[in-house]
Amino acid sequence: AQSVTQPDIHITVSEGASLELRCNYSYGATPYLFWYVQSPGQGLQLLLKYFSGDTLVQGIKGFEAEFKRSQSSFNLRKPSVHWSDAAEYFCAVGAPGNAGNMLTFGGGTRLMVKP
Amino acid sequence: DVKVTQSSRYLVKRTGEKVFLECVQDMDHENMFWYRQDPGLGLRLIYFSYDVKMKEKGDIPEGYSVSREKKERFSLILESASTNQTSMYLCASSANLGTGGNEQYFGPGTRLTVT
Repeated sequence: AQSVTQPDIHITVSEGASLELRCNYSYGATPYLFWYVQSPGQGLQLLLKYFSGDTLVQGIKGFEAEFKRSQSSFNLRKPSVHWSDAAEYFCAVGAPGNAGNMLTFGGGTRLMVKP
Repeated sequence: DVKVTQSSRYLVKRTGEKVFLECVQDMDHENMFWYRQDPGLGLRLIYFSYDVKMKEKGDIPEGYSVSREKKERFSLILESASTNQTSMYLCASSANLGTGGNEQYFGPGTRLTVT
């Protein structure tokens, strides 16, 4: 079975600073990988996904993520954080061909942005 | 745009009551999911369904049941609500596109409080 670890529960960055949120997964083959964002009181919105091809994936809101097979990682990055990026971020992994396209989610990283 | 709607944003119930949480999606998706979200624990899968009248247990099915009589609707039932079921409940849906990497689309969530 697959699993996902987000080592940082909370991260605080200054507005305009760069951001990297870490995600490590455990799966025997190449998984499907996702990053979602959840604003307060809202559901989850997909930021980006990887399932094949170029290992650097561009998403919405200026985010990108890089799949590194050797490190079993899929870290999320943004070059310059805006106050509106304050939210909770979830990394998720899916196993190709699993019934119902189930995803396993990490515990989340809460991002706070200082003015 | 995919839309997943949940019947209530906030719900307060008493211990022992039977509780129904409804979820409707409008994109003809085959798969539907129910998660609960608790601080520090991320999203945990309760049940999912990959077809009408089909259901599979997720990681934490105890105390819950589900119903999927129509493709667009997936209901979560708490037979006898308990205080430890106070949580945020998220519904999601996804398609079977055959190529994998199929993201899940989430509803806004129902915050359930059991007193």
